Amino acid sequence: AQSVSQHNHHVILSEAASLELGCNYSYGGTVNLFWYVQYPGQHLQLLLKYFSGDPLVKGIKGFEAEFIKSKFSFNLRKPSVQWSDTAEYFCAVKQPGANNLFFGTGTRLTVIP
Amino acid sequence: DAGITQSPRYKITETGRQVTLMCHQTWSHSYMFWYRQDLGHGLRLIYYSAAADITDKGEVPDGYVVSRSKTENFPLTLESATRSQTSVYFCASSESEGLTQYFGPGTRLTVL
Repeated sequence: AQSVSQHNHHVILSEAASLELGCNYSYGGTVNLFWYVQYPGQHLQLLLKYFSGDPLVKGIKGFEAEFIKSKFSFNLRKPSVQWSDTAEYFCAVKQPGANNLFFGTGTRLTVIP
Repeated sequence: DAGITQSPRYKITETGRQVTLMCHQTWSHSYMFWYRQDLGHGLRLIYYSAAADITDKGEVPDGYVVSRSKTENFPLTLESATRSQTSVYFCASSESEGLTQYFGPGTRLTVL
């Protein structure tokens, strides 16, 4: 089974600071990669995804992520965070054609105004 | 645009009782999924369904039963609830195998 590691459990930033959240996975073959966000009291929403092609993926709300195959990583970035980015962020991985989505344990981001 | 809905949103029950969590989607997606979200574990797949009358186990299926008599509904039943099943349960759906999954708002279940 896949394992997905998000080493940052809780990140606290001031508004306008840059963000990078780490995500590493264990599977050595081709993967589909996702970042989901869960705002307080809400359901998970897809931020961005990578299936193939350009390893730098742009998502909604100014987020981007870079797939680095050699490092088994898919880190999420945003150049300047806002208070409204306060949420929990989940990295998820699956094998192409498979249905089981493996999630990391999540990173809670708190942005201080 | 209802999308994917879950009911109830909150439920408190007692050990040994049967509980059914409902999931309904309006997109006619073929695939539906049930996950549980626990601190320190992220989300884990309980069961999924590829189509009506086709279901399969995920990572943590023990203690749960599912059915899919209609494409749009995918109820999850805890036949005899245990305290370890206290969790937040998310339903998801996707249009086809391997594509992006879209999540419902979740059901917070507490088993006393």
